[in-house]
Amino acid sequence: KNEVEQSPQNLTAQEGEFITINCSYSVGISALHWLQQHPGGGIVSLFMLSSGKKKHGRLIATINIQEKHSSLHITASHPRDSAVYICAVKETSGSRLTFGEGTQLTVNP
Amino acid sequence: DSGVTQTPKHLITATGQRVTLRCSPRSGDLSVYWYQQSLDQGLQFLIQYYNGEERAKGNILERFSAQQFPDLHSELNLSSLELGDSALYFCASSVAGLAEETQYFGPGTRLLVL
Repeated sequence: KNEVEQSPQNLTAQEGEFITINCSYSVGISALHWLQQHPGGGIVSLFMLSSGKKKHGRLIATINIQEKHSSLHITASHPRDSAVYICAVKETSGSRLTFGEGTQLTVNP
Repeated sequence: DSGVTQTPKHLITATGQRVTLRCSPRSGDLSVYWYQQSLDQGLQFLIQYYNGEERAKGNILERFSAQQFPDLHSELNLSSLELGDSALYFCASSVAGLAEETQYFGPGTRLLVL
């Protein structure tokens, strides 16, 4: 069992739909990151969370420390949101990031 | 543009060879991280430097080594290359290398070992 698990692995949506990507982890963490990887390979950091909720434009990220779970929501999805979304955690026992396998999101017009 | 630069963008080499990947962090960032992304293993943390000193080590093979120079740029050296070393290698930087900081990723170096 991976320390960080994401669901779903693949997600196809129609433009305008509300999207949720989930991340569960099994270790104690000091921070959780959501990353976006575009088809060309470039990685962009979307959020860093240690508690609660953050919002940036149409993206919302939440974390529940007790349940060891985080969600990334995209409202009013758009084809340009098509990318791989990766959850990564910073364990309290170390300083390395452990990554989930990613969720491939495709938003069709 | 994250402000992190990596060179080269692409590298094709043969098994047994040695290559050096270079990373320049964002201006003002003292910490550099190296990651490997392969098709079968996803993203993996290799090593972190802070102000020239190694801070954390991940799944880095003994054939690989890295260093951070006084001007804060970093190099990742890969030697005795094997087919399985073919991957995207990312560098990221952050201000002080703390868990709570955002990491800014470079565009990556795509390595193909033939």
